[in-house]
Amino acid sequence: IVMTQSPATLSVSPGERATLSCRASQSVRTTLAWYQHQPGQAPRLLIYGVSTRATGVPARFSGSGSGTEFTLTISSLQSEDSAVYYCQQYHDWPTFGGGTKVEIK
Amino acid sequence: QLQLQESGPGLVKPSETLSLTCTVSGGSISSSDYYWGWIRQSPGRGLELIGSVSDRGSTYYNPSLKSRLTVSVDTSKNQFSLRLSSVTAADTAVYYCARHGSMTLNWFDPWGQGTRVTVSS
Repeated sequence: IVMTQSPATLSVSPGERATLSCRASQSVRTTLAWYQHQPGQAPRLLIYGVSTRATGVPARFSGSGSGTEFTLTISSLQSEDSAVYYCQQYHDWPTFGGGTKVEIK
Repeated sequence: QLQLQESGPGLVKPSETLSLTCTVSGGSISSSDYYWGWIRQSPGRGLELIGSVSDRGSTYYNPSLKSRLTVSVDTSKNQFSLRLSSVTAADTAVYYCARHGSMTLNWFDPWGQGTRVTVSS
């Protein structure tokens, strides 16, 4: 299953909303996770099962969607949210999207 | 707090075998009812699941790598390992180890920091 993320880069001002998209080449139902990856750090699980936040993830991160279209929303962007964000499906052999880089404007 | 740390050579010659080990601390691999995975990231292929192993040694391999791949677990050392034979420049990547979310191949949490492996003579 091919995962496609858009946009490749997103520039958002602090306090504004960031909306990241992820599309699957076929339905993955609700088997979708999101990760945050900051330079020099281990990737961090943010969300699994489309919308369940992992332990310790701030409430400003939320996920939605089903089937082939998914969204990660950061409701009020903080400076520490600058990172690359990846989606991953696990309906079949796990595969990842190419990532969206979120920059602070 | 569960932590994972990759270790192994940073440089491997073409046609040789890449060997990496992931050491788990803050928890036990055995009787954990989780799968443990190896993921790599390269500019050309992005993030790619290589293979996963359970604490009992059951494995799942990426079909594109299966003929060259061995993933194993050593519960006495709280480690699991990756061996990839006949490497080429296409195997140059950052290699991560991670735990799956449960006893199936689902999400990954937590991840190690990653180790960069270059295939070059």
